[in-house]
Amino acid sequence: NAGVTQTPKFRVLKTGQSMTLLCAQDMNHEYMYWYRQDPGMGLRLIHYSVGEGTTAKGEVPDGYNVSRLKKQNFLLGLESAAPSQTSVYFCASSYSSWAEAFFGQGTRLTVV
Amino acid sequence: TQLLEQSPQFLSIQEGENLTVYCNSSSVFSSLQWYRQEPGEGPVLLVTVVTGGEVKKLKRLTFQFGDARKDSSLHITAAQPGDTGLYLCAGTNNDMRFGAGTRLTVKP
Repeated sequence: NAGVTQTPKFRVLKTGQSMTLLCAQDMNHEYMYWYRQDPGMGLRLIHYSVGEGTTAKGEVPDGYNVSRLKKQNFLLGLESAAPSQTSVYFCASSYSSWAEAFFGQGTRLTVV
Repeated sequence: TQLLEQSPQFLSIQEGENLTVYCNSSSVFSSLQWYRQEPGEGPVLLVTVVTGGEVKKLKRLTFQFGDARKDSSLHITAAQPGDTGLYLCAGTNNDMRFGAGTRLTVKP
């Protein structure tokens, strides 16, 4: 069982470059989330989606965009990467907001 | 400032000791979840509490949800080295917000 799959696992970007992180889940979950994790900060919510075609801002949405065109996929885009976006990014999905969230393995992004 | 404040941030104890970590907020949540995260992996759910005052026990772990549904605690009895990890609380309403975590080290 794949669960939640994130691609890529590692990436190095130059300042100003753009990229898209892909999150795919095979559990037919309605809710999907993107978080970033920095030392001492826990997980901070970037954007989330409560169903196909919907997105909403979280705690730290600036500099990021998302799309949920298909129920199973949630894309996180960085239009113009900045060193402050160096972080580990986690995607998660859940049946509902109060149900167990299943996480991917994370994407380690470095912006130089 | 994060919505959920966890304390302590770091905790280092000897095997066999008991410990309690806290998760506090000024906001009311529909549910409160506790996760544990190992290095290089995503968090994994330990428990969900949904009712104010609720207490759940999982072997040596006891979780409590505050009466007002704003805070929670995790108590570990007779800690073991295998309990070492990052413990995260998450509050849910329309979305899921996490605290900064408590990094626990249990020495043999």
